Amino acid sequence: DVKVTQSSRYLVKRTGEKVFLECVQDMDHENMFWYRQDPGLGLRLIYFSYDVKMKEKGDIPEGYSVSREKKERFSLILESASTNQTSMYLCATAGEGAGNQPQHFGDGTRLSIL
Amino acid sequence: KQEVTQIPAALSVPEGENLVLNCSFTDSAIYNLQWFRQDPGKGLTSLLLIQSSQREQTSGRLNASLDKSSGRSTLYIAASQPGDSATYLCAAPRYSSASKIIFGSGTRLSIRP
Repeated sequence: DVKVTQSSRYLVKRTGEKVFLECVQDMDHENMFWYRQDPGLGLRLIYFSYDVKMKEKGDIPEGYSVSREKKERFSLILESASTNQTSMYLCATAGEGAGNQPQHFGDGTRLSIL
Repeated sequence: KQEVTQIPAALSVPEGENLVLNCSFTDSAIYNLQWFRQDPGKGLTSLLLIQSSQREQTSGRLNASLDKSSGRSTLYIAASQPGDSATYLCAAPRYSSASKIIFGSGTRLSIRP
């Protein structure tokens, strides 16, 4: 079974802080994704990585950056956290040929920015 | 531009009933369609992925069908159980980038004992 591990289930930070969310997968998948999920807005793609050091912007990249230095780890960075970034953050992975592979999700990080 | 819609937003049925969840999409040139389950406060669990060349996929009591010409997919749950209570989401890839998928807003299913 694919295991996708997000470093924290719950996180509370203050506005202006730099926040790191970590995601680790154990299946050697090329593709990794960061989403946020908000009531009424559904799941929205923030960033996507298809290989080490490679990334693509999703629908809502503003205020976020990502890092993928190793294949198994994909980090989401909030450069200067703001209250409108309070949300549930979900990491996902997919194998090569992601267009025809199921995405596998972690349990999510519920982030609150005060 | 791909849009994915799920109606109804919520559904409540008594235990033991067979039920159908609906998903519609606007771009019929899709590579596949996925169904997921999400329990409250948790991530998504992949249930079924139907390739564009297939018409249906089955896993246990779940059966998903795909009709590209009408832009519809259904998830059939047989002999529903209280443990099936969850939100069910469908997702289809974007035409511009098959790796990026668009999610429906989900159907919140409640199975009454």
